[in-house]
Amino acid sequence: EIVMTQSPATLSVSPGERATLSCRASQSVSSNLAWYQQKPGQAPRLLIYGASTRATGIPARFSGSGSGTEFTLTISSLQSEDFAVYYCQQYNNWPHTFGQGTKLEIK
Amino acid sequence: QVQLQESGPGLVKPSQTLSLTCTVSGGSISSGSYYWSWIRQPAGKGLEWIGRIYTSGSTNYNPSLKSRVTISVDTSKNQFSLKLSSVTAADTAVYYCARGRLLERWGQGTLVTVSS
Repeated sequence: EIVMTQSPATLSVSPGERATLSCRASQSVSSNLAWYQQKPGQAPRLLIYGASTRATGIPARFSGSGSGTEFTLTISSLQSEDFAVYYCQQYNNWPHTFGQGTKLEIK
Repeated sequence: QVQLQESGPGLVKPSQTLSLTCTVSGGSISSGSYYWSWIRQPAGKGLEWIGRIYTSGSTNYNPSLKSRVTISVDTSKNQFSLKLSSVTAADTAVYYCARGRLLERWGQGTLVTVSS
């Protein structure tokens, strides 16, 4: 099973600033990496797939990069609605596995 | 627009079988080529993919749960289902159903508590 490790566990950023979240895979997952956003009491929402492709309706301030084992989700100019928990997930090997999440909180 | 809705008992006794159904509306579960998945999330914790079923009926289960999991589809009712046997308190979680290889559409989730 591929282990996904996210850092940091919690990230405190002020509105309007940039946030950078990291995700590392225990072995290469090529570009088969997705990012999800989850707000309290809600189901996760797909943000990014293929490491860098935004899902339908996702604002351009969300961007993803990386391949192999190192990935980054960048949110430029944070809006109030962006404060949430973010999960990375690999879908290169079964079982598809998630990271433990990064909580993005208001500084 | 396709919507998914989980349903089933909110309380299950230890050693019994957890049974949940996901009802798909706004589209046919048998049209297109989609994976239909179950994912769970214990309170305050991360996400765990339980398993999925393809439109063709083929299934993939998480090896950590494989011996206890069955996912099936009922096309006549536009539903797919999860059965998890021999449950313990560790199976207490919010259970989500979702569509797609990339989980692009989710249900709202349903809390299942395992307790006597």
